[in-house]
Amino acid sequence: LAKTTQPISMDSYEGQEVNITCSHNNIATNDYITWYQQFPSQGPRFIIQGYKTKVTNEVASLFIPADRKSSTLSLPRVSLSDTAVYYCLVGTKAAGNKLTFGGGTRVLVKP
Amino acid sequence: KAGVTQTPRYLIKTRGQQVTLSCSPISGHRSVSWYQQTPGQGLQFLFEYFSETQRNKGNFPGRFSGRQFSNSRSEMNVSTLELGDSALYLCASSWEGAPGTEAFFGQGTRLTVV
Repeated sequence: LAKTTQPISMDSYEGQEVNITCSHNNIATNDYITWYQQFPSQGPRFIIQGYKTKVTNEVASLFIPADRKSSTLSLPRVSLSDTAVYYCLVGTKAAGNKLTFGGGTRVLVKP
Repeated sequence: KAGVTQTPRYLIKTRGQQVTLSCSPISGHRSVSWYQQTPGQGLQFLFEYFSETQRNKGNFPGRFSGRQFSNSRSEMNVSTLELGDSALYLCASSWEGAPGTEAFFGQGTRLTVV
């Protein structure tokens, strides 16, 4: 699985948009990009997944440039409850349900 | 539908003992993976089972083992517990028909070795 690089931490304020960029220079043709959210003492929760261009769901957007060497998770209008660790992963189903987590980005939303 | 269920939620064991953790995947999911999470090492992959067969394995000693039953439920066993085995153990299930790597995690079992 391709290695990913994310910022260690980010601070934001309620109502702001938070953008977390993940670098994955060695992403393979068949790799998808997936983001997970984790609260303390809970399992990670799937947020969004994409292959190219832009994907949007009810909680986030994922922007992937044409070269796919990076991706940006965008959280619109964050609230205090969005304080969590966010993980960027790349991989394919060919690898099975074997996920490689990096250090993640600790997002702190302040009032 | 019900999510991934892990039991027990909390466990305290003594060094040298062995422990068995249980995971019930989401109905219809045949792939179950196990992860160990510690403050120092983060989230690390232990192993994955699919249709009762171990399909992938991480870099953990042989004291860590698992199995999967015909109903896709999985158990993880750790023998000869060490203090360093204290961690949050997470189980995840996924549906083979989906592309990418979307997995659904349970709440985890917090194991404390004293």
